[in-house]
Formats: sequence, structure tokens, C-alpha cells
Amino acid sequence: NAGVMQNPRHLVRRRGQEARLRCSPMKGHSHVYWYRQLPEEGLKFMVYLQKENIIDESGMPKERFSAEFPKEGPSILRIQQVVRGDSAAYFCASSPQWTGSNSEQFFGPGTRLTVL
Amino acid sequence: GQQLNQSPQSMFIQEGEDVSMNCTSSSIFNTWLWYKQEPGEGPVLLIALYKAGELTSNGRLTAQFGITRKDSFLNISASIPSDVGIYFCAGQMGGNNRKLIWGLGTSLAVNP
Repeated sequence: NAGVMQNPRHLVRRRGQEARLRCSPMKGHSHVYWYRQLPEEGLKFMVYLQKENIIDESGMPKERFSAEFPKEGPSILRIQQVVRGDSAAYFCASSPQWTGSNSEQFFGPGTRLTVL
Repeated sequence: GQQLNQSPQSMFIQEGEDVSMNCTSSSIFNTWLWYKQEPGEGPVLLIALYKAGELTSNGRLTAQFGITRKDSFLNISASIPSDVGIYFCAGQMGGNNRKLIWGLGTSLAVNP
């Protein structure tokens, strides 16, 4: 029973390039969340998606960042024209179909982005 | 952005000792979650709390959801070397708001 999968685990980009981070949720999970973690800090929420819908993007920077969760395939977090400040660990979490007001989120191993 | 107050920031203890850490918030949460993160890995869920006053155990770990719904604590009894890691609390307001708000973590070191 595979958990949340993320790839790549490590990604190096030069300033101005694009970064694409992929996330495959746990089997049976239809909700995906992206978080960013800077060194020595907690996680910060970025975006919450269901299949083909963005539900909450209140934590996404207004420019250069976008996310999608298509009907088929993994969720993608895309960062255009990366800058050094984008260097961080990006974590994806998934949860099952919402059946109540609360739901646990299960995390992948993360993608560590380094911008040179 | 919103953040939880988690303390202590770090702890260095002897194997066999008990550990306690807590989180407070200025906002009310409907869910409190405790995660452990090891270097280079993602957070792993330890305990989930859904009701004010709820006390839940998972092996040597015990966590409580504060009555005011603005705080939670995590206890680890009889610590062992593999307890080393960073422990995070996270709160969720619930309803349509499913994002997790995180503390800054408690770094635990255990001396064998």
C-alpha cells in the first residue's frame, strides 16, 4: 500500500528556470495539499486541490506559482522563473474523500529545491 | 501567516526520561495533530485529536486536546534513542477550511 509519492526528491535549478514538482496521492485519496518548509521552520500551507479543482490557494504567492491536479495523473506544483528565495523543501499531503469536518493528512517525502 | 506557539524549541534528555511539549494558539481549532519529522523525510502523523478535552494514546505517546480548543500537549514516556527527531503540532479549523497551521517544532535529542 504505497504512501504519498513525490518526485523528484531533489531538484536543482538556476535562477530564471522553471521547477516542476510532482505528487501522487495515496490510493483512494482525492484531496491534495502542498506545503513549503524553510530550514529550521515549520510547514506553511500553499494550496489545497481536489481533482480538477483548486479549493484553497490562500497560501500561494500571487506570481510565478501555480498548481494543478488533473483528472488523470499526479498533482503538479509549478514554479516559474525561480529565484534563490524559492529554495526550500516542498511537501505534498493527501487525505481521503471528506466525510466529516476533520480529516488527517498524510505526507510524502518532499522535494528539496535548490536554486543556484 | 498564522502560526502556532510551540514549546520548548529543543530538548536534550537522557534515555528513559519522560518528555512533554505543548502548543498554543490565539485561534480555536477543531482538530489538533502531532507529527514527527526526521532529517530528509516528510512529517509522519503520530496522533490526531478531534474533541475538546480528548486524551489519546499511541504506545508511549499521549496527547490531549485542550478544553479551550486553543492548546494541546504531547507527552512521550520512557524515551528511547529512536525518539530523536523534530515534533510538530498542527491545527485545523475544520469545515471548509482544511489547511493545517503549524508550530515551529520541538527538536528532541536523546542521550543513550
